[in-house]
Amino acid sequence: ETGVTQTPRHLVMGMTNKKSLKCEQHLGHNAMYWYKQSAKKPLELMFVYNFKEQTENNSVPSRFSPECPNSSHLFLHLHTLQPEDSALYLCASSQEYTGREETQYFGPGTRLLVL
Amino acid sequence: KQEVTQIPAALSVPEGENLVLNCSFTDSAIYNLQWFRQDPGKGLTSLLLIQSSQREQTSGRLNASLDKSSGRSTLYIAASQPGDSATYLCAVKGGSYIPTFGRGTSLIVHP
Repeated sequence: ETGVTQTPRHLVMGMTNKKSLKCEQHLGHNAMYWYKQSAKKPLELMFVYNFKEQTENNSVPSRFSPECPNSSHLFLHLHTLQPEDSALYLCASSQEYTGREETQYFGPGTRLLVL
Repeated sequence: KQEVTQIPAALSVPEGENLVLNCSFTDSAIYNLQWFRQDPGKGLTSLLLIQSSQREQTSGRLNASLDKSSGRSTLYIAASQPGDSATYLCAVKGGSYIPTFGRGTSLIVHP
């Protein structure tokens, strides 16, 4: 266990549904990340939160809406997704986001299938 | 735009062999390069982080080298074991602070 948990582990949703992914870290870190890993593309960073403030948005479509209520929790709200959004969504945390050198600890991911 | 390529895409070897995994990147203006391991159905585990000013890093049976000028890094695994079976990912971080990942090398070490 890395100290980062994600729920649910698997999710199937229709294109008109609204769902949320949850990530929780028990490491006392101040930075949290969302990544997308799909079969057709390399792993991509989506969002970065540092001390609850969004510091990076890697040109992610607005149908993905992140929320970071505190340093231990991170959510990814999903609505009107497309089948090409089917992927493994990984959450990670690190002590602080400096942009250059921080060891990130990853959760096991949520496997999302959009029908 | 930074591009990261990992060769080979897949590798199957008998236990005990010494292995070399390759990672190349197109833009040499990087801050660091990191090697990760990913087990099936799980997240990533950081193995080694090499700063741009460093040439190599070692951890146990793993050794990673970095040649920034040629845009190359290698991950050397000594005396491979079945427990080393996983996908190995390389990621480089440059001025945008957004890491660029390769597609990974899928490694199987059979007894």
